[in-house]
Amino acid sequence: SQTIHQWPATLVQPVGSPLSLECTVEGTSNPNLYWYRQAAGRGLQLLFYSIGIDQISSEVPQNLSASRPQDRQFILSSKKLLLSDSGFYLCAWSVSPHYGYTFGSGTRLTVV
Amino acid sequence: DQQVKQNSPSLSVQEGRISILNCDYTNSMFDYFLWYKKYPAEGPTFLISISSIKDKNEDGRFTVFLNKSAKHLSLHIVPSQPGDSAVYFCAASAKNTGGSQGNLIFGKGTKLSVKP
Repeated sequence: SQTIHQWPATLVQPVGSPLSLECTVEGTSNPNLYWYRQAAGRGLQLLFYSIGIDQISSEVPQNLSASRPQDRQFILSSKKLLLSDSGFYLCAWSVSPHYGYTFGSGTRLTVV
Repeated sequence: DQQVKQNSPSLSVQEGRISILNCDYTNSMFDYFLWYKKYPAEGPTFLISISSIKDKNEDGRFTVFLNKSAKHLSLHIVPSQPGDSAVYFCAASAKNTGGSQGNLIFGKGTKLSVKP
């Protein structure tokens, strides 16, 4: 069966520090991978999606970047965090995006 | 421009009664609709879906209704239980014609509170 792992679960980082969140998927090949953010009081905002290794599409210009060095690994990064980067970050995967995604358990990021 | 709208940020219902969560969309190309449920500090989980060729899909206490002419769908939960208290996201997608067009578009969510 397919599973998705996302870590860490919570993270508190100072402004200006770097960020690396990792997501891995097991039990499937060549999935579509996604990073979403849920900011306080807002819905799910798509940040990046990837249809294959080193193929990243950015939906929203921002202080973040994403990479997919392996088929089932998706990394969200920042060189210098801003206060506005605080939020709940979700990784998701899909083989057929039209029919829905499976989400990871999320990372609560607080930038202080 | 929001293509999927959930105009009620919150809804409070008594236990045992019906909960009705609404969702409107603007893109007539959408042909598949989903509802996700999200508890605090957890990822959303898939609840129920409906294809545009249907107008109703039922799964236990959950029923989704689709009105294509009105570009409106609703999720009915009956009877509502305290464990149903969560944020519910409506999502829609169109057959992938390339790029991001097959990706899900989410509404902003409705927070349901079911009171004992």
